[in-house]
Amino acid sequence: DGGITQSPKYLFRKEGQNVTLSCEQNLNHDAMYWYRQDPGQGLRLIYYSQIVNDFQKGDIAEGYSVSREKKESFPLTVTSAQKNPTAFYLCASSMTRIRNTGELFFGEGSRLTVL
Amino acid sequence: QKEVEQNSGPLSVPEGAIASLNCTYSDRGSQSFFWYRQYSGKSPELIMSIYSNGDKEDGRFTAQLNKASQYVSLLIRDSQPSDSATYLCAVYTGRRALTFGSGTRLQVQP
Repeated sequence: DGGITQSPKYLFRKEGQNVTLSCEQNLNHDAMYWYRQDPGQGLRLIYYSQIVNDFQKGDIAEGYSVSREKKESFPLTVTSAQKNPTAFYLCASSMTRIRNTGELFFGEGSRLTVL
Repeated sequence: QKEVEQNSGPLSVPEGAIASLNCTYSDRGSQSFFWYRQYSGKSPELIMSIYSNGDKEDGRFTAQLNKASQYVSLLIRDSQPSDSATYLCAVYTGRRALTFGSGTRLQVQP
């Protein structure tokens, strides 16, 4: 079945460590996104990529990095520079003409906890 | 002012009643409007999209859009306990990606 796969589902990190969250999609979507969700809050955009080898900062990009070497993959690295990384991370994809499709397809999410 | 605002709730309604969820947005150039449902610990799923003024119905769900008032709402008829979730309003301005509100938590009492 087509969809978006995020891994790991749960991740624990010690302070000062970098961690990478994986996101793979087989929907043949052009655009991919990373959002962060904190308790009681909506989704905040971290990074997005409309095409391979190109990505743009969202509203809260500081302390995060991404790459888009393949259309199917959009990994997110949470660096030690991110001061409060404990959160629920959601990867999503869409066809480029998002207004027409009207839908972001979400992965199941990765819950990161800093110990 | 937040770009997309929702009352955080909880909104509590009895089973079988109509639940009314509201959302306002700040960018008058916004083009597309969406409602996502999110169960606790799960990822959001799209339940309604609306692009022009007026009402759009899909089963028990009706989305309403008033661009002049910068207001979008979601009505859930015959509410069921399984509708208990957080409902996220999302707006597309033509730039970047969807902007989400903080969500309204709905509780349907059996």
